[in-house]
Amino acid sequence: GQQLNQSPQSMFIQEGEDVSMNCTSSSIFNTWLWYKQDPGEGPVLLIALYKAGELTSNGRLTAQFGITRKDSFLNISASIPSDVGIYFCAGQGETSGSRLTFGEGTQLTVNP
Amino acid sequence: DGGITQSPKYLFRKEGQNVTLSCEQNLNHDAMYWYRQDPGQGLRLIYYSQIVNDFQKGDIAEGYSVSREKKESFPLTVTSAQKNPTAFYLCASSFGTLNVDTQYFGPGTRLTVL
Repeated sequence: GQQLNQSPQSMFIQEGEDVSMNCTSSSIFNTWLWYKQDPGEGPVLLIALYKAGELTSNGRLTAQFGITRKDSFLNISASIPSDVGIYFCAGQGETSGSRLTFGEGTQLTVNP
Repeated sequence: DGGITQSPKYLFRKEGQNVTLSCEQNLNHDAMYWYRQDPGQGLRLIYYSQIVNDFQKGDIAEGYSVSREKKESFPLTVTSAQKNPTAFYLCASSFGTLNVDTQYFGPGTRLTVL
């Protein structure tokens, strides 16, 4: 089946620093989604990407859909304490219908 | 308010008992999904339904059952056959559009089997 490798697994940064995380796939995806999950809550959609090469921003967040359609990255600029949480990438493959494949998540810790 | 609701937030059950988790959405979405999340892990798909009265097994369906009698509702039953049921359960929904779909999640139910 399709697999997503998300890295890094965890990050410890100082407030104000920029953050970058990425996901790579073993197969082509038609959609890339980035979610954030706070402890004990459901994931919240941050950014949705539907086209190869697409670069989309949402406030301090920027995500890109890789040209090869096998990767995506998420950047967070000028991190703040409330950015703490787990960030998941998810992709929709060509043959998976509406099913998503999820990465393992990146645990972000921001020190004030 | 439009959204996905899951109830209850916390659920405790004795081993050997079946338990049903509720998921309701008022987003007019055709597709609904159930995921399981274990500590420090990603999301694993249990069951999904792309249309009323139809559903398919996901990657870890053993020990679970679902029904989809109404578009708005997709309850999940954790049966006594599920060997390790303690986990965080997440429901999601989407329009089910091929290739450009986006799933939205409910707040989750934490099930603890004693």
